[in-house]
Amino acid sequence: ETGVTQTPRHLVMGMTNKKSLKCEQHLGHNAMYWYKQSAKKPLELMFVYSLEERVENNSVPSRFSPECPNSSHLFLHLHTLQPEDSALYLCASSPLAYSYNEQFFGPGTRLTVL
Amino acid sequence: GNSVTQMEGPVTLSEEAFLTINCTYTATGYPSLFWYVQYPGEGLQLLLKATKADDKGSNKGFEATYRKETTSFHLEKGSVQVSDSAVYFCALSESYQKVTFGTGTKLQVIP
Repeated sequence: ETGVTQTPRHLVMGMTNKKSLKCEQHLGHNAMYWYKQSAKKPLELMFVYSLEERVENNSVPSRFSPECPNSSHLFLHLHTLQPEDSALYLCASSPLAYSYNEQFFGPGTRLTVL
Repeated sequence: GNSVTQMEGPVTLSEEAFLTINCTYTATGYPSLFWYVQYPGEGLQLLLKATKADDKGSNKGFEATYRKETTSFHLEKGSVQVSDSAVYFCALSESYQKVTFGTGTKLQVIP
């Protein structure tokens, strides 16, 4: 148990659906992250939030829309996804962004796009 | 920019064998170094870390020493168990920089 929870753990959606992934951290951290982990590819950083402000957006398609309403919660809103978006989506948090600290990861949401 | 290079996997070992997973890095400053482990169906967990040169991180029988002169942070364990089967990620973080992960090395331990 890392103190970071993600829901749902598994999600299957069609290309026209709209869904949201949720992440919650109970560690009092100020930075939160979304990563995409695809088979046989390096971990891809998607978004970074620091004190609820988005500080990094790594050329992610607009069909992925993050939201950080407070420092404990992070969402990833999904719409009109493509089959190649199927992956494990990991949320992480750390005390500060862009610092020497380690990151604490949630268990991930396994997303399948049909 | 920063980078982390890990040995290609998968690595297959018999139980009780000695493990080494190589990791070298490139950084502009003086980073902290980490090993994360990902068990099947789970997220990444911090295994160990080192924050300055010559520091040795250790946990669950795993060790890694921060070698500045060779820019390396190799992961070692003297006697692996089946339960160590997982994917291992080397990573570095530096002030004002995002965390850089290696590509991961899959370890399979057979009885």
